[in-house]
Amino acid sequence: DAGVIQSPRHEVTEMGQEVTLRCKPISGHNSLFWYRQTMMRGLELLIYFNNNVPIDDSGMPEDRFSAKMPNASFSTLKIQPSEPRDSAVYFCASSLVAGNQPQHFGDGTRLSIL
Amino acid sequence: GDSVTQMEGPVTLSEEAFLTINCTYTATGYPSLFWYVQYPGEGLQLLLKATKADDKGSNKGFEATYRKETTSFHLEKGSVQVSDSAVYFCASNYNQGGKLIFGQGTELSVKP
Repeated sequence: DAGVIQSPRHEVTEMGQEVTLRCKPISGHNSLFWYRQTMMRGLELLIYFNNNVPIDDSGMPEDRFSAKMPNASFSTLKIQPSEPRDSAVYFCASSLVAGNQPQHFGDGTRLSIL
Repeated sequence: GDSVTQMEGPVTLSEEAFLTINCTYTATGYPSLFWYVQYPGEGLQLLLKATKADDKGSNKGFEATYRKETTSFHLEKGSVQVSDSAVYFCASNYNQGGKLIFGQGTELSVKP
């Protein structure tokens, strides 16, 4: 079975540019999570969706960050405008909503803002 | 609020040594508990889980027992290998809604 698919795997862009990260969750999963991982701050939950509806976006750092889930098989995380401090690895994960179900992670997008 | 605390790393062991990584949690109610492993350059992978008190999760020689009385879920392995070098994350689920609370991660380095 296909796991969580993220694209691109690597992104290098200049400060001020718009960045769009993409995620395809595992088919049948109805929860989707976006995380950011850095050496300094560790693993941070940015936002999560249940049944395509955003439930908690308290981890989104600033208005420059936005996330959408237009359907059950696709989500985007957008940064506009990007800044060097946004450089990190961004992970998407999906799961079933039921409480004892684990999250399945993608391989991440390594983002570098110059 | 709910939280997960792991022992700080990095932990450095020789091959075939015994491993313990401590994890304690605070939660209202009875969460499910998880250990995830992250190898360099990869995403987090589920290693094992336990859903109720006294459950033991096990996988690839790793074990952890859900201890309600001590609110702990310590990860153990009897004989580590170089290939076990990775970062290990303990996590609990939050209010049964799918959101996980992660510990800060413990880096393990196993030397031959």
